[in-house]
Amino acid sequence: DGGITQSPKYLFRKEGQNVTLSCEQNLNHDAMYWYRQDPGQGLRLIYYSQIVNDFQKGDIAEGYSVSREKKESFPLTVTSAQKNPTAFYLCASKDPGREQFFGPGTRLTVL
Amino acid sequence: GDSVTQMEGPVTLSEEAFLTINCTYTATGYPSLFWYVQYPGEGLQLLLKATKADDKGSNKGFEATYRKETTSFHLEKGSVQVSDSAVYFCALSAISGGSNYKLTFGKGTLLTVNP
Repeated sequence: DGGITQSPKYLFRKEGQNVTLSCEQNLNHDAMYWYRQDPGQGLRLIYYSQIVNDFQKGDIAEGYSVSREKKESFPLTVTSAQKNPTAFYLCASKDPGREQFFGPGTRLTVL
Repeated sequence: GDSVTQMEGPVTLSEEAFLTINCTYTATGYPSLFWYVQYPGEGLQLLLKATKADDKGSNKGFEATYRKETTSFHLEKGSVQVSDSAVYFCALSAISGGSNYKLTFGKGTLLTVNP
């Protein structure tokens, strides 16, 4: 079955460490997205990519980085520069003219 | 910029009660409108959508009508079930950065349905 895989489901990191969240899709979608979800805040866009080897900052890109070397993969790195990284992170993908499909999410906790 | 305002929760209902979750939006141009649902600990699932004025989206007994004159997209269900307990997000998509469609979300409304 086609879908989006995010791993791991739960992630813990110490303050000051970088950590990379995985997002893989087998839907053959061109566009991919990363969102951050905080309680009572809705979802906020971190980065998005419309095609391989290209990506743009979203509304809250500071302290995050991404790469898009393959169509099916869009990993997100949370760097030590992100001041408050504890959150639920959601990856999504879409085809032109269609809605976004979401992965199951990764919950990151900074200890 | 674009924005979505939805009814703040939490909303608590008894099984078989009528549900309305209000959603209004501000956008330039002609956005598409969506309702997504999020069950505990999971990602978002598309519940329904509407792409132009007066369109009605429907799925699993839920309905919402795209009202351009009132810039609204209220979610309704005639008889809720315990299994409908979740967080509901209203969202719009508009063109951003060329052809890419960016989703703007409301803050979400937590619905709890008691037996």
